[in-house]
Amino acid sequence: DTGVSQDPRHKITKRGQNVTFRCDPISEHNRLYWYRQTLGQGPEFLTYFQNEAQLEKSRLLSDRFSAERPKGSFSTLEIQRTEQGDSAMYLCASSLGGGVLTEAFFGQGTRLTVV
Amino acid sequence: GEDVEQSLFLSVREGDSSVINCTYTDSSSTYLYWYKQEPGAGLQLLTYIFSNMDMKQDQRLTVLLNKKDKHLSLRIADTQTGDSAIYFCAEASLNSGNTPLVFGKGTRLSVIA
Repeated sequence: DTGVSQDPRHKITKRGQNVTFRCDPISEHNRLYWYRQTLGQGPEFLTYFQNEAQLEKSRLLSDRFSAERPKGSFSTLEIQRTEQGDSAMYLCASSLGGGVLTEAFFGQGTRLTVV
Repeated sequence: GEDVEQSLFLSVREGDSSVINCTYTDSSSTYLYWYKQEPGAGLQLLTYIFSNMDMKQDQRLTVLLNKKDKHLSLRIADTQTGDSAIYFCAEASLNSGNTPLVFGKGTRLSVIA
């Protein structure tokens, strides 16, 4: 296993278009997290899954954002009707279990640019 | 609400020690973490400390926690050019259940050869 992988690494889209990102976690990890990181900021939590269940969503996740993890393995994050303010790095992380001692492994991120 | 603050930049000479500071506001913070982010890479967990500890050492890294002042620091001994990166402080609280990590804005460490 090569770790958490995210696809694509970079995405440029026109304002108003829909985009979808994919995250493949480490295979035995049951928890999967999505974070957003804008320039000069730390990562901000968006949502997380335990297996296929979406357990928590941040208020940052507007109704244009939707995330799924249909089989408890890979996850997708879709942004509809993209806005320039959506330009950011979208980070995925996974962990085995969910206690605070559980190390979350991060992917390299998908950089979204909305023009 | 939860807030984690860090100084934005630090520049040191190769071989010197680096000290990166962080303050947090959540008094129920149970674990505090340091992550490293290199250009184009994801976040890498460097070390963490439990709130009932005041110091943790791991090779060149020393973490100091002053729980009274809600102040956390990361000291890197014998700083190398490969240590140049952004360092994020993060906190998590058991009292909030499985609340995911709250990160600071990051400190960009530049190591001058």
